[in-house]
Amino acid sequence: DAKTTQPPSMDCAEGRAANLPCNHSTISGNEYVYWYRQIHSQGPQYIIHGLKNNETNEMASLIITEDRKSSTLILPHATLRDTAVYYCTLNNAGNMLTFGGGTRLMVKP
Amino acid sequence: EAGVAQSPRYKIIEKRQSVAFWCNPISGHATLYWYQQILGQGPKLLIQFQNNGVVDDSQLPKDRFSAERLKGVDSTLKIQPAKLEDSAVYLCASSLRNMNTEAFFGQGTRLTVV
Repeated sequence: DAKTTQPPSMDCAEGRAANLPCNHSTISGNEYVYWYRQIHSQGPQYIIHGLKNNETNEMASLIITEDRKSSTLILPHATLRDTAVYYCTLNNAGNMLTFGGGTRLMVKP
Repeated sequence: EAGVAQSPRYKIIEKRQSVAFWCNPISGHATLYWYQQILGQGPKLLIQFQNNGVVDDSQLPKDRFSAERLKGVDSTLKIQPAKLEDSAVYLCASSLRNMNTEAFFGQGTRLTVV
């Protein structure tokens, strides 16, 4: 059973910020939040991960709530090429990545 | 840096036949994963290796699926005999170690069982 829940789909206008939520209310103290995305016919691609502090890299920002029960992935300026399925997963040392259904993000012109 | 290599990209077989998939992880990556992704669903982990040892294979249907990672480098996943419900994309991924590092995925092998 996936330990994360995400909305099945979202739309975003090109050039606007895309905010993708993830609920992980049963997260344990040593579990990291990971985000991957999967573009059609390709393998998943790593985006970002964090434990409890907010993180930013060249692709996205990750905001984790103080109680760590939810997080938001932010794509600051979405482009058409960001159309993909986005997966939020939990992982700690020695545990495998478990994927849920993900959020299908559609970026529209 | 070369990515995770998988072959073949596509395979069509009849039910009850056997099939094997091959994966070559990124050089130096100790952890290797095999996932099954059925159309419209997220990837489901089948087996995880750490070097040439199995970390977890609890979701591998062992009556028909087998996997090995000899010498702790490349890996093969076999299905024998195949069923219609095995039609899926089989993804291989690797990571430097299993301590909170990103996983890199191959493009997958699309299996169709007819």
